[in-house]
Amino acid sequence: DAGVIQSPRHEVTEMGQEVTLRCKPISGHNSLFWYRQTMMRGLELLIYFNNNVPIDDSGMPEDRFSAKMPNASFSTLKIQPSEPRDSAVYFCASRAGQTNEKLFFGSGTQLSVL
Amino acid sequence: AQSVTQPDIHITVSEGASLELRCNYSYGATPYLFWYVQSPGQGLQLLLKYFSGDTLVQGIKGFEAEFKRSQSSFNLRKPSVHWSDAAEYFCAVGLRNTNAGKSTFGDGTTLTVKP
Repeated sequence: DAGVIQSPRHEVTEMGQEVTLRCKPISGHNSLFWYRQTMMRGLELLIYFNNNVPIDDSGMPEDRFSAKMPNASFSTLKIQPSEPRDSAVYFCASRAGQTNEKLFFGSGTQLSVL
Repeated sequence: AQSVTQPDIHITVSEGASLELRCNYSYGATPYLFWYVQSPGQGLQLLLKYFSGDTLVQGIKGFEAEFKRSQSSFNLRKPSVHWSDAAEYFCAVGLRNTNAGKSTFGDGTTLTVKP
């Protein structure tokens, strides 16, 4: 299995531009998570899906952030418009079942908003 | 709300020395407990987890962790650190009795290994 695949690995954009981060979970996993990691705030859960349905989006910073999971094999996290304070590493993770199962993380997308 | 505290932001140990990384949680019941490691530029990898049974859990790469209910702790240990263990370590908790619940992570501890 190729693991959780995220793209792009790096993104550099100008303030105000739209940014779309992509994630392909491990086949057969029914839960998908988006995390953001910064030095100041550490690892924060933004949103998670179960069977393609958003369960908890309370971690999404503001309306500029949106996430979708149109099918079991693909999810996007979109920031529009982007701001410099959005600069961070964004991780996608997937899980096969219940809370006691482990999360499998992608390698992350390093986002820099200038 | 559940929370996870890793009191040590940065730890430096000499290669071959023993290691203990601290983790404390706050929750009304015993949650599921995890330790993850993140190498530079990589995603997180699970080291070990605890959800019931023996309170001393063995993981990969020679790591172990001990769950202490009375102290609400789940500290990670390794008897002899290798240079390749230099990384960031995250403790995480998951809610019991929920379907596809979320995991809450601590802020992480950065481990530096001196030669």
